[in-house]
Amino acid sequence: EVQVVESGGGLVQPGGSLRLSCAASGFTVSGNSMSWVRQAPGKGLDWVSLIYSGGSTSYADSVKGRFTISRDNSKNTLYLQMSSLRAEDTALYYCAKMTGLTYYLDSWGQGTPVTVSS
Amino acid sequence: DIQMTQSPSSLSASVGDRVTITCRASQNINTYLHWYQQKPGKAPKLLIYTTFTLQSGVPSRFSGSGSGADFTLSISSLQPEDFATYYCQQSYIPPFTFGGGTKVEIK
Repeated sequence: EVQVVESGGGLVQPGGSLRLSCAASGFTVSGNSMSWVRQAPGKGLDWVSLIYSGGSTSYADSVKGRFTISRDNSKNTLYLQMSSLRAEDTALYYCAKMTGLTYYLDSWGQGTPVTVSS
Repeated sequence: DIQMTQSPSSLSASVGDRVTITCRASQNINTYLHWYQQKPGKAPKLLIYTTFTLQSGVPSRFSGSGSGADFTLSISSLQPEDFATYYCQQSYIPPFTFGGGTKVEIK
């Protein structure tokens, strides 16, 4: 069964850093493209970042230069390193597997919450 | 970046009603358009991908249409379990932006 489980969220002060993890099972992160999507409290979905199976990456303008997506193939885990965090980064962060030639998000985790506050 | 505009932002409907949600892209995105359903406290769930194709297990009362920049999600006969928020997303060019969502509520 395909599954992704996020972890690593928590409370962090503005300007701080946090690393989110997404453990995959039932498939390999190295053989698939993956995304991070976030949702601020009471708001809509906000696409954050992706890593293609080939390794190239892309970021939303709002996080570019502050967030880094990566993966550890040996641990079958996706990461999102977040730095210079701002209050507006407060959200539930979802990891999702991308599938097909059109890269739709077919498997989502339950999310890990990040709160940026002093 | 490609902007995705959904309308309406919310609607009230009764069980059995036909419901239509539209999604407009700020440029041509071919058919690289996907629809997700999200219920309160739950992760989004893929409903329709690449404009037309129903994800496995999704009831046939859901359908998608469109191409270029204008797309539609239709529910032919609304069921109690369909009350949720629906999002479109483009995957033509990164960033793979979402629409603002359409909340479908019970009338």
